[in-house]
Amino acid sequence: RKEVEQDPGPFNVPEGATVAFNCTYSNSASQSFFWYRQDCRKEPKLLMSVYSSGNEDGRFTAQLNRASQYISLLIRDSKLSDSATYLCVVSAFSGNTPLVFGKGTRLSVIA
Amino acid sequence: EPEVTQTPSHQVTQMGQEVILRCVPISNHLYFYWYRQILGQKVEFLVSFYNNEISEKSEIFDDQFSVERPDGSNFTLKIRSTKLEDSAMYFCASSLDSSYNEQFFGPGTRLTVL
Repeated sequence: RKEVEQDPGPFNVPEGATVAFNCTYSNSASQSFFWYRQDCRKEPKLLMSVYSSGNEDGRFTAQLNRASQYISLLIRDSKLSDSATYLCVVSAFSGNTPLVFGKGTRLSVIA
Repeated sequence: EPEVTQTPSHQVTQMGQEVILRCVPISNHLYFYWYRQILGQKVEFLVSFYNNEISEKSEIFDDQFSVERPDGSNFTLKIRSTKLEDSAMYFCASSLDSSYNEQFFGPGTRLTVL
């Protein structure tokens, strides 16, 4: 059973569209949740942490449902620069523990 | 803005050779990690390091791998006898402390084993 599962996409959306990504995780002991962004052949970069109450950062909104072990990311008003692979990431505890990555969902925003 | 740096950016080696990948974590960070990403696959954890010792390692991190912090700034990953399947992007990461797990990744070293 895969630890972190994501729809690989690609999602091809026009500029200005709203797009949502989902992710499920298998380890119910997971405590920390993140969305990372990875551009082609580059390192993962933290986009945002995901909190139980949900959180928003500009055009990005993340939600966590612990009961369903489900995480989501919503991007509003997509920009060309949002084109990337979005990685759902969890870790078992807070602190110095390994990050467990999903394979990522590829987004292409088209002019 | 402080960042994690890695050298070399690309390493080509023959099967069976030893390679050392180098990382300079962010200067006040205390926790260090190596991850790898085989082309087209997900990022996978290899090892974490704190207080001059390995704190956790995955099953990928077998006897062929070792890590070292030879001085106050560098953090290295050594692969003793490379195999074709070691070809991947190797990312170093560091984090500040144990209360918050934001890990900052370096740009990676692309290892190609021929």
